[in-house]
Amino acid sequence: NFMLAQPHSVSESPGKTVTISCTRSSGSIASTYVHWYQQRPGSAPTNVIYENDQRPSGVPDRFTGSIDSSSNSASLTISGLETEDEADYYCQSYDSSDQGVFGGGTKLTVL
Amino acid sequence: QVLLVQSGAEVKKPGSSVKVSCKSSGDTFSSYAITWVRQVPGQGLEWIGGVIPIFVTPHYAQKFQGRVTITADESTSTAYMELDSLKSDDTAVYYCARERSSFRLDYWGQGTPDTVSS
Repeated sequence: NFMLAQPHSVSESPGKTVTISCTRSSGSIASTYVHWYQQRPGSAPTNVIYENDQRPSGVPDRFTGSIDSSSNSASLTISGLETEDEADYYCQSYDSSDQGVFGGGTKLTVL
Repeated sequence: QVLLVQSGAEVKKPGSSVKVSCKSSGDTFSSYAITWVRQVPGQGLEWIGGVIPIFVTPHYAQKFQGRVTITADESTSTAYMELDSLKSDDTAVYYCARERSSFRLDYWGQGTPDTVSS
């Protein structure tokens, strides 16, 4: 099995762009899809990116996802930061026994 | 619009069991997996396992094998997660979610807090 490593926290100012990384410990990042979730305090997670770079309907195009095989990582980029983007973000993939694997989560502060 | 509504908060003693329900509406219940995820206070998300109602057979994360039972009742569009032999570190919020292809969780229940305390 593998792990997904995320930075514990990131912070940026309103209007700026922030990128959250998700690095896979073993096996290729490109071998299984990566999804991203946003979780505001006291609420259930919501899906903001699926299958590496697809945006669910209703998610602003300020949210983009990508993968980079050279660093074996996935990234979530949020541009034009708004205070409402302040939340925890989790990446998720799945292993060879068909079990989901979550990253440890990244707390985004918009100051 | 898919809606997953979970049962209410629980308080349990160590060694007991908890059974959480998740009622689905707004889509074909049998066609998708229902997956359970938990979140210990102040920590991240943890995959427990899930079931595709039409296939009946559930799949569990290795950590929970032997201690968790996930079932689905097509007649009521409700999924259940039962966790046995509770310990204090099972205190968490338990979520159900609809699992699409590629293990994407696209709709989530509101969460059920479960406190394990003597």
